[in-house]
Amino acid sequence: AQSVTQLDSHVSVSEGTPVLLRCNYSSSYSPSLFWYVQHPNKGLQLLLKYTSAATLVKGINGFEAEFKKSETSFHLTKPSAHMSDAAEYFCVVSPRGGGYNKLIFGAGTRLAVHP
Amino acid sequence: DSGVTQTPKHLITATGQRVTLRCSPRSGDLSVYWYQQSLDQGLQFLIQYYNGEERAKGNILERFSAQQFPDLHSELNLSSLELGDSALYFCASSDPGRTIYNEQFFGPGTRLTVL
Repeated sequence: AQSVTQLDSHVSVSEGTPVLLRCNYSSSYSPSLFWYVQHPNKGLQLLLKYTSAATLVKGINGFEAEFKKSETSFHLTKPSAHMSDAAEYFCVVSPRGGGYNKLIFGAGTRLAVHP
Repeated sequence: DSGVTQTPKHLITATGQRVTLRCSPRSGDLSVYWYQQSLDQGLQFLIQYYNGEERAKGNILERFSAQQFPDLHSELNLSSLELGDSALYFCASSDPGRTIYNEQFFGPGTRLTVL
């Protein structure tokens, strides 16, 4: 069975400071991993996906995530937070291959960015 | 804009009623997924269709049903509504022929309020 744990339900940072959102996953085989973002009253937008081509994955809006198999982690980072980054972020795992599989969402981390 | 459309955006109805939520996937995507987002359960997979056929079921109540039509749009039918069915319902689509990683693209959601 697969699961994902987001270690922080809320993260608060100041504008211009680094962002770290933590995610651990559990999977019996090599999964697909994603980060999605949900802005208030909006749908879910794909930030980035892990494809196994590289352990450091670059996404949109300056976000990155590093896949660490030994730690079963897929933490999301950004060097400098912007006010527009305030949103809810979801770490997501899915079985790879076939394209027929559901996404399993973490509980979400709400990111607040203060001036 | 993900290319996935959902209607209506908001729906307010009474307990015991029946509603239909509609989703049009991205052009060319054969898979449609339905998810429910609620405060207590988070984001949960309900059901998946692939090219008109049901492919997988998640935590979907027997009062709920879905179908995918020949033009690939999908409808989620919710009946005998209860207060606890109030939630944001998302549709997502993907194309297994274009990716092995199963990234899914989400519509803006339908917010259902049951009074």
